[in-house]
Amino acid sequence: QKEVEQNSGPLSVPEGAIASLNCTYSDRGSQSFFWYRQYSGKSPELIMSIYSNGDKEDGRFTAQLNKASQYVSLLIRDSQPSDSATYLCAVRNTGGFKTIFGAGTRLFVKA
Amino acid sequence: GAGVSQTPSNKVTEKGKYVELRCDPISGHTALYWYRQSLGQGPEFLIYFQGTGAADDSGLPNDRFFAVRPEGSVSTLKIQRTERGDSAVYLCASSPRSSGRDTQYFGPGTRLTVL
Repeated sequence: QKEVEQNSGPLSVPEGAIASLNCTYSDRGSQSFFWYRQYSGKSPELIMSIYSNGDKEDGRFTAQLNKASQYVSLLIRDSQPSDSATYLCAVRNTGGFKTIFGAGTRLFVKA
Repeated sequence: GAGVSQTPSNKVTEKGKYVELRCDPISGHTALYWYRQSLGQGPEFLIYFQGTGAADDSGLPNDRFFAVRPEGSVSTLKIQRTERGDSAVYLCASSPRSSGRDTQYFGPGTRLTVL
């Protein structure tokens, strides 16, 4: 079992729709959870971090964390073509700084 | 201010050769990370430095890989006897402190191709 799993996609949504990206992780003791966006040929950039169960909203982005189910999600509201990218889920292990990334989900937003 | 920089941006080498990849973190950042990213995969953790010392090198694949950060700023990733399977984008990231919640800022990466 991979430590961080994501559906590779591609996920295709029309402009203005909600895009829902999901991630599961295996280390039950993980404490820090991150969503990165990576455009083709570029390096990852952080868009959301979440540490407690529940929802965290930042503009059009909402991260959701459920530690009991070992599940993290990212919702993108009013999706724009510029949101088309690969979204990487990352988990930081307990007591350390080693960050484990999923393989990413490719998102296409159709104009 | 300046972000994380990495040199060279591209490196092509022959199997069996030695390569060095350099990372300049954001000024003042004490934590520095190296990752390797293959096509279609997420970044794979290699090593983490807190200051000058390697706090976690559990991701280094074998003893051909070594990294240093002698003055707590610039870091060099060294790969001996390169193999074709080492071809990937090598990413460096830095963060301000040693908090597990700190944002990691990534550099543009070095694309290594081993022929």
